[in-house]
Amino acid sequence: QSVLTQPPSASGTPGQRVTISCSGGDSNIGSNTVNWYQQLPGMAPKLLIYTNNQRPSGVPDRFSGSKSGSSASLAISGLQSEDEADYYCAAWDDSLSGPYVLFGGGTKLTVL
Amino acid sequence: EVQLVESGGGLVKPGESLRLTCEVSGFVFTSYSLAWVRQAPGKGLEWVSSISSSGGYIYYADSVKGRFTISRDNANNSLHLEMNSLRAEDTAQYFCTRGDYSKFLFWGQGTLVTVSS
Repeated sequence: QSVLTQPPSASGTPGQRVTISCSGGDSNIGSNTVNWYQQLPGMAPKLLIYTNNQRPSGVPDRFSGSKSGSSASLAISGLQSEDEADYYCAAWDDSLSGPYVLFGGGTKLTVL
Repeated sequence: EVQLVESGGGLVKPGESLRLTCEVSGFVFTSYSLAWVRQAPGKGLEWVSSISSSGGYIYYADSVKGRFTISRDNANNSLHLEMNSLRAEDTAQYFCTRGDYSKFLFWGQGTLVTVSS
């Protein structure tokens, strides 16, 4: 199966803006939408961004998503301590060997 | 309120079988696709399997294909994962989630499966 590549870690200070990248290929991000998940320690994942740049009800507008070609990004502005969590991108992969749901390896965000 | 509650996890030996169940409430069960996603201790999320609302479309990750079977009981609002020939690498928290493609809005709290001799 293909993979979605994320940086293993990211960090920022309160109030800063941080971005997390997610790189894929033609059969996944290149031809399907991207969703982002936030997972707090010991908790189930939470859908943070869907369809590339849409926020579910209740998600602050500090969180935003974008997609270009076979890559996507999650941006968090006005960083807060409670944003410290693991973040995962996900996309459907409709390659000939699939289809599959792919998750990125996850990015651990530290608020310094 | 949407609720997904997993059960059936536990400690098994390599080669043994286990059946996970996810009981669902708070939405029209037959209208939504469902999936299993797992997370090995200290690792990232890994999609396991998805099933469409009617049960007519089923997909598996390569890592479980031929060993795991997903099914749904639309009469009892429940989702199942039959896991055979379990391996140490199947040790993980198994989450039940509602959604399709890669958009999963609602999640259960998970059930832990440990495969060890």
